[in-house]
Amino acid sequence: GAGVSQTPSNKVTEKGKYVELRCDPISGHTALYWYRQSLGQGPEFLIYFQGTGAADDSGLPNDRFFAVRPEGSVSTLKIQRTERGDSAVYLCASSLTAGLNNEQFFGPGTRLTVL
Amino acid sequence: EDQVTQSPEALRLQEGESSSLNCSYTVSGLRGLFWYRQDPGKGPEFLFTLYSAGEEKEKERLKATLTKKESFLHITAPKPEDSATYLCAVPRYGGSQGNLIFGKGTKLSVKP
Repeated sequence: GAGVSQTPSNKVTEKGKYVELRCDPISGHTALYWYRQSLGQGPEFLIYFQGTGAADDSGLPNDRFFAVRPEGSVSTLKIQRTERGDSAVYLCASSLTAGLNNEQFFGPGTRLTVL
Repeated sequence: EDQVTQSPEALRLQEGESSSLNCSYTVSGLRGLFWYRQDPGKGPEFLFTLYSAGEEKEKERLKATLTKKESFLHITAPKPEDSATYLCAVPRYGGSQGNLIFGKGTKLSVKP
């Protein structure tokens, strides 16, 4: 079946603008994760959903970042008043259910560039 | 503070030249250690999960081992297609099951 998909693949925006990044998880996966990855770094955890609710949002860096998953499938990561430091690849992953024995499948990421 | 450190940062091997990558961690109450492979421009791809010291897992030319302080990813007779960045990750202590701490990775290049 299809893997995790993310749109857009690239997004260039200007400082101060609002952006939305979309993630389509693997069908039937109830857990969904957002990470961001800066150049030369490993992925950094942002938020994790179990179903429609955010089970852990402790990685969101500040209140400019927000994520939703209203129907328990597609998720949108929203960034307000973007800053140059927000430039990174934003990765989404999903797993069948929560639990450490459930492998996370990653999407290809959205490369965000804030000018 | 929970931390994952990978070494070396980069490794160049000739095809067939076996070696090992290291992942050392400092986290209370380890609940698992994960290895991923990441190709340029792609998301990480799951390789292994190890849960307890002494555990080993193998997949083709790769073997992952775990001790109480570190994990090794052994690559036997690598091929050019094994070239990638290899990442390890552990769950954050006290965090949710989805809250993983990743190392910076080891970039492996295998020359024919």
